[in-house]
Amino acid sequence: NAGVTQTPKFQVLKTGQSMTLQCAQDMNHEYMSWYRQDPGMGLRLIHYSVGAGITDQGEVPNGYNVSRSTTEDFPLRLLSAAPSQTSVYFCASRLTSGAYNEQFFGPGTRLTVL
Amino acid sequence: AQTVTQSQPEMSVQEAETVTLSCTYDTSENNYYLFWYKQPPSRQMILVIRQEAYKQQNATENRFSVNFQKAAKSFSLKISDSQLGDTAMYFCAFMKENTPLVFGKGTRLSVIA
Repeated sequence: NAGVTQTPKFQVLKTGQSMTLQCAQDMNHEYMSWYRQDPGMGLRLIHYSVGAGITDQGEVPNGYNVSRSTTEDFPLRLLSAAPSQTSVYFCASRLTSGAYNEQFFGPGTRLTVL
Repeated sequence: AQTVTQSQPEMSVQEAETVTLSCTYDTSENNYYLFWYKQPPSRQMILVIRQEAYKQQNATENRFSVNFQKAAKSFSLKISDSQLGDTAMYFCAFMKENTPLVFGKGTRLSVIA
């Protein structure tokens, strides 16, 4: 199993550009999430999905869109990048049910918006 | 909404000594899960230890153990025999079944030789 994969690992954007951060998992996990990590703020939830076709907003959803057309993929779209979106982005997945519910994380994407 | 508080932004410990990282949380739920994640400079999030709220026994994983006080809503992490490789950010996290993981702001731990 590759686990949770994210691409790209690094990205630099100009203000106003759009892009998609890719996330995929091969563990047949129903639950997938996107977090952003900023210094001193921990990991904050952007959007999450409990299964294909179902998404919901987290703590900081503004400026981001998601879709979940398959169980494996959960892309995060930045519609019009802003410097405030400079951050490290993590995708994560887990089984919805089960005794342990361990959440697995991708390696992260470092995004800089100029 | 659930909140997780880590009151120690930074800590340091001498190699081979013991250190305890604090975490408190706020919830009205009775059944939930608690986690400690480690994030070394590589940025990878690594699960250190987890605790189910219905279990009274404190979880232990080798040099890592927790002190889970359900009534006090406290979940501290103890690292024994600290090693240089333990240098990392440590995040406490809370989760109810079928809801997202909620993180604290983290504690940066430095292990000094």
